[in-house]
Amino acid sequence: GAVVSQHPSRVICKSGTSVKIECRSLDFQATTMFWYRQFPKQSLMLMATSNEGSKATYEQGVEKDKFLINHASLTLSTLTVTSAHPEDSSFYICSATPPAGAVEAFFGQGTRLTVV
Amino acid sequence: AQRVTQPEKLLSVFKGAPVELKCNYSYSGSPELFWYVQYSRQRLQLLLRHISRESIKGFTADLNKGETSFHLKKPFAQEEDSAMYYCALRPGNNAGNMLTFGGGTRLMVKP
Repeated sequence: GAVVSQHPSRVICKSGTSVKIECRSLDFQATTMFWYRQFPKQSLMLMATSNEGSKATYEQGVEKDKFLINHASLTLSTLTVTSAHPEDSSFYICSATPPAGAVEAFFGQGTRLTVV
Repeated sequence: AQRVTQPEKLLSVFKGAPVELKCNYSYSGSPELFWYVQYSRQRLQLLLRHISRESIKGFTADLNKGETSFHLKKPFAQEEDSAMYYCALRPGNNAGNMLTFGGGTRLMVKP
């Protein structure tokens, strides 16, 4: 099946720094990718929809200036957590769906962000 | 707005016992319903979807529009079924729409 690769899988950063997380569709083009966030013992919550060549669509309550999303190509979307704080520590997961009538969404392996 | 509810955070059964993971949803239109599974240290992956009406790894799920439910069932649980299970809903039939997830149920199958 299709593969979505997320990098890094784990990152620790200091408060106030920025962290970039990459999401790549390895064997298909994805005009749309999704970024989810998962707090401990909670469900996956959609943060934003990343659209290739246009601005991302953010869910209510998600700060677009803090979580910068860039979908520069059909196989790469990046999420940058700017000026990270400890409360940004979470598990971030991206997903993408192949075009042309595909139904299944494929997920990256997730990124565990710890802000110290 | 759509909502997915999985009432049980943890479900523990013995090997060979039947298992049912509950999922209820609310959505005004025609949804697509999915079950995703996440085994330990692995990524989230699709288990099954209601439109294909298939059985995967012995699991089945029937969409009950009257009860707005999409419960996941397996008649005889196996230890390798132990994992996190997420019910998810996608509005309409557009693959470009995002998924809304339930809170997840951890299934533990004891030997």
